[in-house]
Amino acid sequence: LAKTTQPISMDSYEGQEVNITCSHNNIATNDYITWYQQFPSQGPRFIIQGYKTKVTNEVASLFIPADRKSSTLSLPRVSLSDTAVYYCLVFSAGGNTGKLIFGQGTTLQVKP
Amino acid sequence: AAGVIQSPRHLIKEKRETATLKCYPIPRHDTVYWYQQGPGQDPQFLISFYEKMQSDKGSIPDRFSAQQFSDYHSELNMSSLELGDSALYFCASSSHTSGNYNEQFFGPGTRLTVL
Repeated sequence: LAKTTQPISMDSYEGQEVNITCSHNNIATNDYITWYQQFPSQGPRFIIQGYKTKVTNEVASLFIPADRKSSTLSLPRVSLSDTAVYYCLVFSAGGNTGKLIFGQGTTLQVKP
Repeated sequence: AAGVIQSPRHLIKEKRETATLKCYPIPRHDTVYWYQQGPGQDPQFLISFYEKMQSDKGSIPDRFSAQQFSDYHSELNMSSLELGDSALYFCASSSHTSGNYNEQFFGPGTRLTVL
């Protein structure tokens, strides 16, 4: 499994756009990039997943450059309720049992 | 929409006692995962089941065992509890047959405290 590296913490203010970048230099051809969000004492929640270029859903956007060695999760106009830990995971498709290997996530603190 | 159900939500045990945690996956989900999250730690994968068969095993102690039943619910059995077993235990489920099994739906967790 490709190792991921992301900032330990980030601060932002309400209404700002937040971009969290994750490095995964050893990503394999059949790997996908997945992001989860976790609030204190709650289970992680799937946010978004992508393979290349840009993916957008109602919650976030995920930007993946052509070399796929990094990805950026973009949260538009954050609010206080977006304060959470964000995990970047690299997930191998095909024959994978589905287990998620969580590394150190990014603690996002949104201030008023 | 139905979510993953875990019971009990809180559990307090003494050292060397046993504990059983239960998980009821989302209907029609065929895969169940167990994760352990210690205080200030990231979630760690323990074990998973697909169609009632163990599909993968992570850092699960030999004192722990788990199974998935015919109705797809799963139980995590923990024996000879140690202080270090105090943690949040999450169950997650996904649909392997849908091809999107990396989108896992997590339950609210069981907080186990070992005294």
